[in-house]
This record gives sequence, C-alpha cells and structure tokens, in this order.
Amino acid sequence: DAKTTQPTSMDCAEGRAANLPCNHSTISGNEYVYWYRQIHSQGPQYIIHGLKNNETNEMASLIITEDRKSSTLILPHATLRDTAVYYCIVRAINTGFQKLVFGTGTRLLVSP
Amino acid sequence: NAGVTQTPKFQVLKTGQSMTLQCAQDMNHNSMYWYRQDPGMGLRLIYYSASEGTTDKGEVPNGYNVSRLNKREFSLRLESAAPSQTSVYFCASGQRGGVTGELFFGEGSRLTVL
Repeated sequence: DAKTTQPTSMDCAEGRAANLPCNHSTISGNEYVYWYRQIHSQGPQYIIHGLKNNETNEMASLIITEDRKSSTLILPHATLRDTAVYYCIVRAINTGFQKLVFGTGTRLLVSP
Repeated sequence: NAGVTQTPKFQVLKTGQSMTLQCAQDMNHNSMYWYRQDPGMGLRLIYYSASEGTTDKGEVPNGYNVSRLNKREFSLRLESAAPSQTSVYFCASGQRGGVTGELFFGEGSRLTVL
C-alpha cells in the first residue's frame, strides 16, 4: 500500500477554512484516499474518502489532484471542535481494514 | 445506536496480572479490530478478525490473545501484563467487502500496568 506524508502540525483561525495537505505520490490506480480524525482521547472518526473525483459531505471536502499524487482535506469553516489529529490513509479497493495504516497524522489546532 | 462499546474504560493492573478487554458492536459488521495507541504515536494493529470464526495477527501481537466470540463480540486478553502494555486500546469494526472505508471505533480503554 502507498505511504502518505502529512505536515506534523497546522494552525487555523476559527471560522476560516482549514486546508490539510497529504502527499501520496506512490498511490496505485485501485487505491482510495481516506481521511479520519481523532479528537483528543477519543477513537478515530471517519471523515471522507475518494478515488479521483472531488468529494464533499457534511463534514468536509476532499480535493484530489489530477495525477492523484496528492490531496487536500478542506474544513470550510473551522470551529474549536475541529481541533484534532487528522490522518490521511490510502487503501486498495476491497482489501480488509487491516490495510488502513494510521501514521502520526497532522495535528490541527483551531484558535479563537 | 451504541456503535462500538468497549469495557472497561479504565483499568490499573500490576505486572503479571491478567485481564480481558471486551468489545461489542451492534452494526452487524463482519470485521473487527484491536489497536493500541501510545503517546504521540499512531494506532498500531494488534489483532483482527476479518469474519466470524477467524482471527489474525497484526503489527504488534506479542503478549496478547483474542477471541471472536460471535459476530458482535471480539475480546482482547492480556495473560501476563507488562508495563510495556500500558497504553490506550481501541476496538473497531467495519464491513469488509465494500469501498465505504468507514471503520467505526470505540471510545478506548485506558490501561496502566504498574
């Protein structure tokens, strides 16, 4: 499975958009990009996933570059509750969840 | 809708004691997982059960055993606890075979081994 690279930490002002980048330059054609987040002391929570098209749900938007080597998770109006560690993961279609490798992610701090 | 429920939430053990962490899910998922998370680190997979009746080792299985009791329940046992097993343990479940990618986690069990 492809590896991902994320910045260790990022800051964002409350109410502004948070743009979290992820590099996955070795991604294969059958691998999806997944984003999870972990709010302090809680279990990780699924946010969104995509293959090659941009995706949006009630939590966030996912922008994947045309060559699929990188992606950006966008929280359009960050709140204090969005302070968390965000994990970018790639996983092949129809493989078990044991292939989800949670690295150290990006620690996002949303400030007033 | 409870989702994934773990018990106990907190536990303190002495070195050499044994204990079992319980996990139950009510979403009819076929796959269940046990992870541990140490301070400042990502989650590491201990054991998983891809379907009822099967279990497999993950990245860090030493010192642990698991039982997939039925489709709902997946327990993690520490036979002889060691201080190195002090950690936060998370149970998760998901439906293998689809592309939803959504793995559901419990709230965690915080274990301290003295």
